[in-house]
Amino acid sequence: KQEVTQIPAALSVPEGENLVLNCSFTDSAIYNLQWFRQDPGKGLTSLLLIQSSQREQTSGRLNASLDKSSGRSTLYIAASQPGDSATYLCAVIAAGTASKLTFGTGTRLQVTL
Amino acid sequence: EAQVTQNPRYLITVTGKKLTVTCSQNMNHEYMSWYRQDPGLGLRQIYYSMNVEVTDKGDVPEGYKVSRKEKRNFPLILESPSPNQTSLYFCASSLYWGSDTQYFGPGTRLTVL
Repeated sequence: KQEVTQIPAALSVPEGENLVLNCSFTDSAIYNLQWFRQDPGKGLTSLLLIQSSQREQTSGRLNASLDKSSGRSTLYIAASQPGDSATYLCAVIAAGTASKLTFGTGTRLQVTL
Repeated sequence: EAQVTQNPRYLITVTGKKLTVTCSQNMNHEYMSWYRQDPGLGLRQIYYSMNVEVTDKGDVPEGYKVSRKEKRNFPLILESPSPNQTSLYFCASSLYWGSDTQYFGPGTRLTVL
């Protein structure tokens, strides 16, 4: 059974700092890995999707990497801003699961002034 | 604007009173699914649909029903709600199942008394 773990559970950084969020998964047979952002009481916003054949994806200040063989992904946020404060979730679609996303429990990020 | 919409956004009801949460997408997506989010348990899939008239159970389908009569709509039905179905519910869709970005609705917060 696929399990997804995110470390740390919470993180507080000063504005401007670069930071890395970690995600690990137990079964390397995945279709893809997706990073989401969730604001309190709100829905999930897709940030980046990495296909199983890819190593990384970039969007603006965000860069996500994938090492499928070791079951790890990282989300790098450059020059953090207070508006980046949210919970970040990673999720994988395991092969043979008909697009079911298996989520980690998230990293709650707070960027302070 | 491309989006997934859910209604209602908030609902308080009583045990046993049938209810339906609607989900609609305007992106001509084939794949749709429902998740529930609970503290400490994260997001778990309830049901999914690969296309019109094709639905199947996710990880936690007990107490729920779905239907997919049209491509754009995927309602979630609680025939006899119970307090353990109090949760935050999300609808999601993607163009095809397997490797595409999944887009989430804004969520429906349900309380069953």
